[in-house]
Amino acid sequence: AQTVTQSQPEMSVQEAETVTLSCTYDTSESDYYLFWYKQPPSRQMILVIRQEAYKQQNATENRFSVNFQKAAKSFSLKISDSQLGDAAMYFCAYRSALYPYKYIFGTGTRLKVLA
Amino acid sequence: GAVVSQHPSWVICKSGTSVKIECRSLDFQATTMFWYRQFPKQSLMLMATSNEGSKATYEQGVEKDKFLINHASLTLSTLTVTSAHPEDSSFYICSGRDRGTDTQYFGPGTRLTVL
Repeated sequence: AQTVTQSQPEMSVQEAETVTLSCTYDTSESDYYLFWYKQPPSRQMILVIRQEAYKQQNATENRFSVNFQKAAKSFSLKISDSQLGDAAMYFCAYRSALYPYKYIFGTGTRLKVLA
Repeated sequence: GAVVSQHPSWVICKSGTSVKIECRSLDFQATTMFWYRQFPKQSLMLMATSNEGSKATYEQGVEKDKFLINHASLTLSTLTVTSAHPEDSSFYICSGRDRGTDTQYFGPGTRLTVL
């Protein structure tokens, strides 16, 4: 069975600084997807970034980028130029490429952004 | 863009009554829908996976007779919590998979409080 581990329950970052959130996973599958989701106080899940396992290039979305290390089964999220609006819970998630395409979520990291 | 709506957003009911939560995909057809449960300050736990016109597949430990899921059309899935008890109080989130884009979209969630 697949597992996702987020070892940082809470992180803090100064506004405009850079922060990295950690995520490790375990799977025996070779084809899968990894995601970072943001959950603000409204609790609406917002997709931050998506990485296909078959792609060696790390995904980037504006200020958000990942460091995907497939052999080490590591998938960290880097947030550059942190903004107050980045404060939220961040969940790392794994999804198989095979049906039924279930998501497995990590326990989450609460990010605080200090003004 | 694709959106998933949930109704109601918040419901309070008495112990022993049944509550139905609707999940609708807007602007796309959700061949597969998922239902999650999220307790305060915890991660999302998958309850069940449903395909249009088929019986739902429940995760281990989820009582299928208590949490009735119906996926009658490509745009609507419902979760009925039968004979609700205070321990069923939680935040319920649905998501729908757009087969065309292989993207999963999350609803805004429903807060259930059972008195």
